[in-house]
Amino acid sequence: NAGVTQTPKFQVLKTGQSMTLQCAQDMNHEYMSWYRQDPGMGLRLIHYSVGAGITDQGEVPNGYNVSRSTTEDFPLRLLSAAPSQTSVYFCASSLGWTAALNEKLFFGSGTQLSVL
Amino acid sequence: GQNIDQPTEMTATEGAIVQINCTYQTSGFNGLFWYQQHAGEAPTFLSYNVLDGLEEKGRFSSFLSRSKGYSYLLLKELQMKDSASYLCAANTNAGKSTFGDGTTLTVKP
Repeated sequence: NAGVTQTPKFQVLKTGQSMTLQCAQDMNHEYMSWYRQDPGMGLRLIHYSVGAGITDQGEVPNGYNVSRSTTEDFPLRLLSAAPSQTSVYFCASSLGWTAALNEKLFFGSGTQLSVL
Repeated sequence: GQNIDQPTEMTATEGAIVQINCTYQTSGFNGLFWYQQHAGEAPTFLSYNVLDGLEEKGRFSSFLSRSKGYSYLLLKELQMKDSASYLCAANTNAGKSTFGDGTTLTVKP
């Protein structure tokens, strides 16, 4: 009963370093997405995918890349980390993105990222 | 563009009823979702509305008026464990969920 699994839980990077946040779901969900949450704020959409091979940009895509080669996995890549990317990152998935499919989001446990 | 507004903070007493409002302006609107987020944890789904009206799920109810761009979450018989942040999210038919900044609810004895 894993649901949405995110790794790592914590990460500290130096400015300019690159890294990949991993996200996997075992619910056969078509829709996956990445959000960042800054202190006292809501979730802002970074990138999303409505199925394998399809990705699109959200509200704050700059500095991040994604790919969706399989239904299960949706990694988020930070190309050159900056202090402004210090945040908590959540991966989320849902069955689909139409009203008929009851598209509630299931969230991973989050990654606390600090960029020094 | 998308714009979602909800109050920043609310305080209520254990056993009472509280209503958290949310207004939205979203193109391609497809549904309004409410999530609960305890400090340091991930959000979890509470309720959603696609059509106008009231949806009831135990102590939690959610209401939607599409013509007014307005929703509310009603929490009854408040318990201390209901102290959390409540996030309003508008889904669009393009596949995006846009979240408000959340309402931090504090339940006092």
